[in-house]
Amino acid sequence: EPEVTQTPSHQVTQMGQEVILRCVPISNHLYFYWYRQILGQKVEFLVSFYNNEISEKSEIFDDQFSVERPDGSNFTLKIRSTKLEDSAMYFCARSSLSPYEQYFGPGTRLTVT
Amino acid sequence: DQQVKQNSPSLSVQEGRISILNCDYTNSMFDYFLWYKKYPAEGPTFLISISSIKDKNEDGRFTVFLNKSAKHLSLHIVPSQPGDSAVYFCAVAPGGGADGLTFGKGTHLIIQP
Repeated sequence: EPEVTQTPSHQVTQMGQEVILRCVPISNHLYFYWYRQILGQKVEFLVSFYNNEISEKSEIFDDQFSVERPDGSNFTLKIRSTKLEDSAMYFCARSSLSPYEQYFGPGTRLTVT
Repeated sequence: DQQVKQNSPSLSVQEGRISILNCDYTNSMFDYFLWYKKYPAEGPTFLISISSIKDKNEDGRFTVFLNKSAKHLSLHIVPSQPGDSAVYFCAVAPGGGADGLTFGKGTHLIIQP
């Protein structure tokens, strides 16, 4: 199955700034997810999104984070006030045929300075 | 609190031989198990999965074995090829709905010519 696309591929921002990461899935997907991977660590689940609302979120997904699908296609992750520790690869994923088999995009590298 | 453990950070195997990657999990309620492969600067790529009602699933060179009593999962790659060199992640889905996956820390597989 085809993957999702993510933009930008690399984002550099200053601490305290807001960033928006974008994911463009194929329209017939039901479930969308955001994950992150801090350098050298494991891939961590942030949030899942089903039927245009949050289905599940992890402890990492605090009030600094939000997700939405503003135009019915793009799926965005917003970090309101970035911290140094938000520097990571952020992956969008989607699933359709099965909720369990998730297909990941290439990721956005976020660097907070 | 590691729910999914991959105790070997790296594994070196000769080309043509069998690669065996191992994964242990702690919660017997986990319902679905997946293996992902990841190259640097790319997103995880889905390889193969198995549900808790099975003990083996095969797809070409890849076979996943599930031992529920031992809470152990393994991935066999036969024969190993140079393109298999990557980081392999074990992941689990608790079951039902749009659950986020819980990943292990990964095993770096190196296939030597």
